[in-house]
Amino acid sequence: NAGVTQTPKFRILKIGQSMTLQCTQDMNHNYMYWYRQDPGMGLKLIYYSVGAGITDKGEVPNGYNVSRSTTEDFPLRLELAAPSQTSVYFCASSYPQGRVPAGELFFGEGSRLTVL
Amino acid sequence: AQKVTQAQTEISVVEKEDVTLDCVYETRDTTYYLFWYKQPPSGELVFLIRRNSFDEQNEISGRYSWNFQKSTSSFNFTITASQVVDSAVYFCALRDYGGSQGNLIFGKGTKLSVKP
Repeated sequence: NAGVTQTPKFRILKIGQSMTLQCTQDMNHNYMYWYRQDPGMGLKLIYYSVGAGITDKGEVPNGYNVSRSTTEDFPLRLELAAPSQTSVYFCASSYPQGRVPAGELFFGEGSRLTVL
Repeated sequence: AQKVTQAQTEISVVEKEDVTLDCVYETRDTTYYLFWYKQPPSGELVFLIRRNSFDEQNEISGRYSWNFQKSTSSFNFTITASQVVDSAVYFCALRDYGGSQGNLIFGKGTKLSVKP
């Protein structure tokens, strides 16, 4: 019962470095999401995907890129890391009900990223 | 615009007290889903409940209960006889069926501290 798996759990980056946060789900969910959580601010959507090969921007996409080559994987890439990207990142997936994604989101355990 | 407001930033109670966490939402949709998630100090997001806009019945699950009122656009969460293990940040969220394919719009969260 793995659910949504994120790696790494912790990472420290220097300004200007790049990295990829990995996300895998084994529930065959079409919908996948990346959020960032900053203290006292709730979660904000970075990117989302409705299926393999289809991705789109969320509320705060600048400085990030995603790809979705398979149903299971939805990696998030940070290019040229900046201190403003210090945050906790959550990957999530969801299943549809009929033609809309009505179910709850299943979240990974989060990845804490610090950019110094 | 879709929006979720959790006006209580922090609440502190003594064990065995009852506590209500408020959630007010705004949406243009006639069909929508509301959620509550718990984020304990360990950081993961735990799904608590989903409610659709057609079902205004209150729900009870053990010490937890939810009061959904469309007339006031509120979806409040009550913990009866609180326990130290209830200490967490609680998020209310609204499913967005606009441009971002079922993204959850989160409130900023209410931090609940239950003291022994």
